[in-house]
Amino acid sequence: EADIYQTPRYLVIGTGKKITLECSQTMGHDKMYWYQQDPGMELHLIHYSYGVNSTEKGDLSSESTVSRIRTEHFPLTLESARPSHTSQYLCASAPTGDNTGELFFGEGSRLTVL
Amino acid sequence: KNQVEQSPQSLIILEGKNCTLQCNYTVSPFSNLRWYKQDTGRGPVSLTIMTFSENTKSNGRYTATLDADTKQSSLHITASQLSDSASYICVVRGGYQKVTFGTGTKLQVIP
Repeated sequence: EADIYQTPRYLVIGTGKKITLECSQTMGHDKMYWYQQDPGMELHLIHYSYGVNSTEKGDLSSESTVSRIRTEHFPLTLESARPSHTSQYLCASAPTGDNTGELFFGEGSRLTVL
Repeated sequence: KNQVEQSPQSLIILEGKNCTLQCNYTVSPFSNLRWYKQDTGRGPVSLTIMTFSENTKSNGRYTATLDADTKQSSLHITASQLSDSASYICVVRGGYQKVTFGTGTKLQVIP
């Protein structure tokens, strides 16, 4: 079992609310990622970080933002949620120096915006 | 464009039966290919990794194959169990550590 945790697991909110999805890992991994997953669709990378104070946007355009102030913590924030943000958000991490590219995933945060 | 296509999209089999899931990719250059298992409501977990020089690799009842010439991989599950019910995702790693995900095969094992 990977030591990577996401909260909340499920969230139902109204349009216009600000939300933060938390992701923490205790493995000391430098690389962390946020993916968006919709039913029947492949995972899409929305943000990644290769270390503290390093954040980059992924392949899928997203209105969310991320921060990486501590190695173990990589929260994702939506300033004003909309129904189009309804999705499953998966956080993952990987150790620097691992050439195989294995990703260790959290259990996901399922967001529903009404 | 790098693509990973998986088939079938979904599959229902009886407990105890075998099944094979397919993955075709167009990723180039090729670094490695992983199969992940994603239980409902959980994050994906790596089952096995295949590199360019490997043709077959087993992990318990799971056996993965790779044909780098035809850019195809398969995941064979032997003597399926109810706990095998999950989505199986093929992920190909290419140049510059770029990762391309397949859409997955949803497997349901019924008693």
